[in-house]
Amino acid sequence: AQKVTQAQTEISVVEKEDVTLDCVYETRDTTYYLFWYKQPPSGELVFLIRRNSFDEQNEISGRYSWNFQKSTSSFNFTITASQVVDSAVYFCALRMTGSYQLTFGKGTKLSVIP
Amino acid sequence: GAGVSQTPSNKVTEKGKYVELRCDPISGHTALYWYRQSLGQGPEFLIYFQGTGAADDSGLPNDRFFAVRPEGSVSTLKIQRTERGDSAVYLCASSSGQGSTGELFFGEGSRLTVL
Repeated sequence: AQKVTQAQTEISVVEKEDVTLDCVYETRDTTYYLFWYKQPPSGELVFLIRRNSFDEQNEISGRYSWNFQKSTSSFNFTITASQVVDSAVYFCALRMTGSYQLTFGKGTKLSVIP
Repeated sequence: GAGVSQTPSNKVTEKGKYVELRCDPISGHTALYWYRQSLGQGPEFLIYFQGTGAADDSGLPNDRFFAVRPEGSVSTLKIQRTERGDSAVYLCASSSGQGSTGELFFGEGSRLTVL
């Protein structure tokens, strides 16, 4: 069985601060995919990133960066210089190779205060 | 629009009634998924279609839930004899190919409230 834990239920930061959202996963499989999705108030989940378990390179996309550490089963997400538009619920998810099911964490609600 | 469309956006029904929720995926997407999201929780997988067939329905909670996709495009999630515990947001997603990349495009969901 697989599990995704997002220990931070809610985080509030002041605009322009950096913030890191934590994600820890559990799986017995050696190959898998990790994801982050953003869910704004409209409710539509927006894909942010996919990471293959073979690829431990960190990734940066604009103000977003992801730190994948297989040794600690973590896939953390950092937003640099946060903006009000970043306010949303962020979900980390896991998918086994050969499966089409995404297992989501419970999400972290991020509020960026102007 | 070009995104995944779900109707109705809100549905209020009474316990014991039958409901249908519709999903219109992105044109050309062969893979379609239904997820259910309860308040304060992450989405939970219900069913996955590849074309017209349900390739994986292991997430359906019981036999009151059923989904179809007769022409490989629009899908309908059907819930019989609704219970209060069925109240949730039902999310539909689609992807191209066989969804192996996991890059799902989600709709805004149908919020179901069972009184």
